Amino acid sequence: QKEVEQDPGPLSVPEGAIVSLNCTYSNSAFQYFMWYRQYSRKGPELLMYTYSSGNKEDGRFTAQVDKSSKYISLFIRDSQPSDSATYLCATYAGGTSYGKLTFGQGTILTVHP
Amino acid sequence: GAVVSQHPSRVICKSGTSVKIECRSLDFQATTMFWYRQFPKQSLMLMATSNEGSKATYEQGVEKDKFLINHASLTLSTLTVTSAHPEDSSFYICSARIGARFYGYTFGSGTRLTVV
Repeated sequence: QKEVEQDPGPLSVPEGAIVSLNCTYSNSAFQYFMWYRQYSRKGPELLMYTYSSGNKEDGRFTAQVDKSSKYISLFIRDSQPSDSATYLCATYAGGTSYGKLTFGQGTILTVHP
Repeated sequence: GAVVSQHPSRVICKSGTSVKIECRSLDFQATTMFWYRQFPKQSLMLMATSNEGSKATYEQGVEKDKFLINHASLTLSTLTVTSAHPEDSSFYICSARIGARFYGYTFGSGTRLTVV
């Protein structure tokens, strides 16, 4: 079993739709949770990070973490064609994990006009 | 914001030659740099972790004699693929931690290596 599971999709939605991206994880030591966006042939770009459980909002993006169910989500409101990319969830345990991030597989999202 | 500059963005080399990839932190000091490899439509695979002034720590299955990592300064880390072969063709990405507190990690723009 992978430590972080993410449905690779692909996911295709019309412009303006609300997009829900999800990951589950198995290691209860994870404390930090991140979402990265990666355009084709580019490095990942940090969208949001959260510590422990809770919600965090930044413009059209909302990240949610539920540590009790080991479930993390990213919601994109009013999706735009420019949001078309691969979205990667990532986790970090902190402490003695030596800075290593654990990534999900990535979900390929296409927003069509 | 914190920026990691990675060069070259694309390189084609002949089989048996070596290729060096550079990552520079432009506006912060990167005490730790991570090197990843990514195959098409797959997630990032951590290859090694390098700390400034120390030997790199390689992940299991990664050949340290083939993938040489140097982190001689707080702003520069390099990955050298030695005696490259076609199976080394991939997308290589570096990443640095932003600051002592956790604010996420910033990634370079990646290097597409093609070995012919």
